[in-house]
Amino acid sequence: GDSVTQTEGLVTLTEGLPVMLNCTYQTIYSNPFLFWYVQHLNESPRLLLKSFTDNKRTEHQGFHATLHKSSSSFHLQKSSAQLSDSALYYCALSDLSNNRIFFGDGTQLVVKP
Amino acid sequence: EAAVTQSPRNKVAVTGGKVTLSCNQTNNHNNMYWYRQDTGHGLRLIHYSYGAGSTEKGDIPDGYKASRPSQENFSLILELATPSQTSVYFCASGDTGGANSDYTFGSGTRLLVI
Repeated sequence: GDSVTQTEGLVTLTEGLPVMLNCTYQTIYSNPFLFWYVQHLNESPRLLLKSFTDNKRTEHQGFHATLHKSSSSFHLQKSSAQLSDSALYYCALSDLSNNRIFFGDGTQLVVKP
Repeated sequence: EAAVTQSPRNKVAVTGGKVTLSCNQTNNHNNMYWYRQDTGHGLRLIHYSYGAGSTEKGDIPDGYKASRPSQENFSLILELATPSQTSVYFCASGDTGGANSDYTFGSGTRLLVI
């Protein structure tokens, strides 16, 4: 079945440094849809960005990600971390064969001054 | 504005008691979902629904029942609550499959079973 792997449970970095959160996925479906959700403390998850086009960069709110089907990856990046970026980030996968989204375990991002 | 509303926001229940968590959506989405969130486990799917009258088991359905009496409402029922069900529960709604399947989440319900 479909699955998503986020290798880092916790990423801690200093404000101003670049952010990269890893996401890889497994699916038998050739046209998956990939998502990043962000959840700030005491809030609910909300969609940050999504993509289904191979090798096309998707951007939103300073973050960007590119779906690479050749490596089954959808890493989240940002050029310069801000304190307000501290949150829990979920990578997620869907396809047209089912009516649900498969979430990874999440990566907690902590940005320090 | 379209939204997903959960009630109650906080709940304390006794072991062995019955708990009902309610969810209402105004997005006119076909699909609704119940997740629990625990530290170290991320979001785990309990039950979901394709529409009024339907319920499907998710990845961790044991100890939970669900009810979808209408397009707008989806309830999660704990018939005999146990301390292991202490968690934060999120309801979500979404359209069917593919690029439009991104979810709108409710604000969550914090459940403590003592």
